[in-house]
Amino acid sequence: KQEVTQIPAALSVPEGENLVLNCSFTDSAIYNLQWFRQDPGKGLTSLLLIQSSQREQTSGRLNASLDKSSGRSTLYIAASQPGDSATYLCAVQIKAAGNKLTFGGGTRVLVKP
Amino acid sequence: EPEVTQTPSHQVTQMGQEVILRCVPISNHLYFYWYRQILGQKVEFLVSFYNNEISEKSEIFDDQFSVERPDGSNFTLKIRSTKLEDSAMYFCASSEALTKQYFGPGTRLTVT
Repeated sequence: KQEVTQIPAALSVPEGENLVLNCSFTDSAIYNLQWFRQDPGKGLTSLLLIQSSQREQTSGRLNASLDKSSGRSTLYIAASQPGDSATYLCAVQIKAAGNKLTFGGGTRVLVKP
Repeated sequence: EPEVTQTPSHQVTQMGQEVILRCVPISNHLYFYWYRQILGQKVEFLVSFYNNEISEKSEIFDDQFSVERPDGSNFTLKIRSTKLEDSAMYFCASSEALTKQYFGPGTRLTVT
């Protein structure tokens, strides 16, 4: 059974510092991995999707890497801003389980002005 | 960018009552999903739906739950007899294929 873990559970940084968020998964036979942002009481906004054949994806200040063999992904957010404060979730889709996503518990980020 | 929409945004119901949560997926998507998130817990998969039938369901999705695509645009989740532990945020999602899943804003269900 796929397990997805995100460490740390919470992170507080001063504005301008780079953020590094970690995601690990137990079954390396993944189809893709998605990073989401969730604001309190709100829905999930997809940030980046990395296919299993890719090593990284970039969008603006966001860069996500994927090391499938070690079961890890890292989301980097450059030059953090107070507006980046949110919970960041990673989710994996594995080949054996149809289309469902298995989510990690999230990292709650606070960027202090 | 096209969006998944969900109604209502908040539903309060009494234990034992039936509720229907509604979703309008993105129009050219073929795969539809329901997930839920109990307060403070992980987002959990409930069910996926393709070609007018359930393609996968979790152990949470028991006989109290059902899904339907009543017309070409709506996708619904019905809970027949709600329990206190059904209180959660319910998210609908859709995708073209085995690709990015787009999530709706969620329906907060409160069972009293």
